[in-house]
Amino acid sequence: ETVMTQSPATLAVSPGERATLSCRASESVRGNLAWYQQRPGQAPRLLIYDASTRASDIPARFSGSGSGTEFTLTISSLQSEDFAVYYCQQYFNWPPWTFGQGTKVEVK
Amino acid sequence: QITLEESAPTLVKPSQTLTLTCTVSGFSLTTARVGVGWIRQPPGKALEFLALIYWDNDKRYNPSLNSRLTITKNTSKNQVVLTMTNMDPVDTATYYCAHSPYRNGPLYMDVWGKGTTVTVSS
Repeated sequence: ETVMTQSPATLAVSPGERATLSCRASESVRGNLAWYQQRPGQAPRLLIYDASTRASDIPARFSGSGSGTEFTLTISSLQSEDFAVYYCQQYFNWPPWTFGQGTKVEVK
Repeated sequence: QITLEESAPTLVKPSQTLTLTCTVSGFSLTTARVGVGWIRQPPGKALEFLALIYWDNDKRYNPSLNSRLTITKNTSKNQVVLTMTNMDPVDTATYYCAHSPYRNGPLYMDVWGKGTTVTVSS
């Protein structure tokens, strides 16, 4: 199966600053990558799909890029509600869908 | 508005069979290019895909759990049911169901239920 590796495991950022999260696939997933946000005690929420398309009602400060095996999620100016865990997921090499282990974005 | 709601027993004993039910609204389980999947998350750990069923009854399973899983749908009740046999304490997790669109193949999960927590213990 395709292994998804996220880095860093934890990212400490001050409110208003930029956050850059990475996701690497063990083999090419082309552009078939999604990003999810999970706040404490909540279900995951789709942020980005097809590597760079924002889902409905997702603020423009979230952006995704990359293709093949290297992907990035950027949050341009962190708001208080953005401190959460972020997961990447590939849906090209099936089965199964596979997720990264997550990056926790915390307050610096 | 698409919503999904999971239900299951909160506690099951080792070796028992777990039945998870996902009740959906805002869409039909027979609508073309629609799927419902199950994903779980052990406490403090990452997400793991379990199974998925599509509008045409096509079913997909995580190969590592395939022998233990069965996914079905009841269109008249708007429910998707996942059964997992031979439960073990390592199966303790929050179980989510989610709506998934289809585009020449499996995609992402765009709407999630709130999840239901299942503990496996004697």
